[in-house]
Amino acid sequence: DVKVTQSSRYLVKRTGEKVFLECVQDMDHENMFWYRQDPGLGLRLIYFSYDVKMKEKGDIPEGYSVSREKKERFSLILESASTNQTSMYLCACGRGAWGNTIYFGEGSWLTVV
Amino acid sequence: AQTVTQSQPEMSVQEAETVTLSCTYDTSESDYYLFWYKQPPSRQMILVIRQEAYKQQNATENRFSVNFQKAAKSFSLKISDSQLGDAAMYFCAYVSNFGNEKLTFGTGTRLTIIP
Repeated sequence: DVKVTQSSRYLVKRTGEKVFLECVQDMDHENMFWYRQDPGLGLRLIYFSYDVKMKEKGDIPEGYSVSREKKERFSLILESASTNQTSMYLCACGRGAWGNTIYFGEGSWLTVV
Repeated sequence: AQTVTQSQPEMSVQEAETVTLSCTYDTSESDYYLFWYKQPPSRQMILVIRQEAYKQQNATENRFSVNFQKAAKSFSLKISDSQLGDAAMYFCAYVSNFGNEKLTFGTGTRLTIIP
């Protein structure tokens, strides 16, 4: 089974802090994603990476950046956390074949105070 | 841009009964995939079922089946013989053949199973 591991399940950060959310997958998948999940809004794509060092903006990239230095690791960075970034963040991966299963991590609950 | 709409924020069903979750979508493309994903409380999202738009036959996976109406752009999920473990958030999702696996999700339906 594919395993997608998000390093932190629950975080509390202060406004203005730089926040790193880490994600590691163990199946050599090409594509990795960061989604944000909010009640009533579903999942919205923040950033997508289709290869090492390659990234593409999703629907809501403002206030976020990403890093993919190794194939298995995809990091989401909040440069200066704000209270409106309090949310659940989901990492996912896929092997780059259209229509195949996307695998998700368990999610990181971030509270910004 | 593609959109996915789930008009039922919450649904409940008696254990062992059947329930149908609704999903509609909007796209101008002809080839795409549709998915239902399940997110149990405090657990990771998993794929329940998928449907390719060019396949006329509705997909089934054990107790889960879909009613895919391409012309109406409707994709509902039927859960038969509901079990307590089916309690979860259910998300409908879409990906086009140009989408490079980037899923567009609906807002979700929270399903409660009544013992």
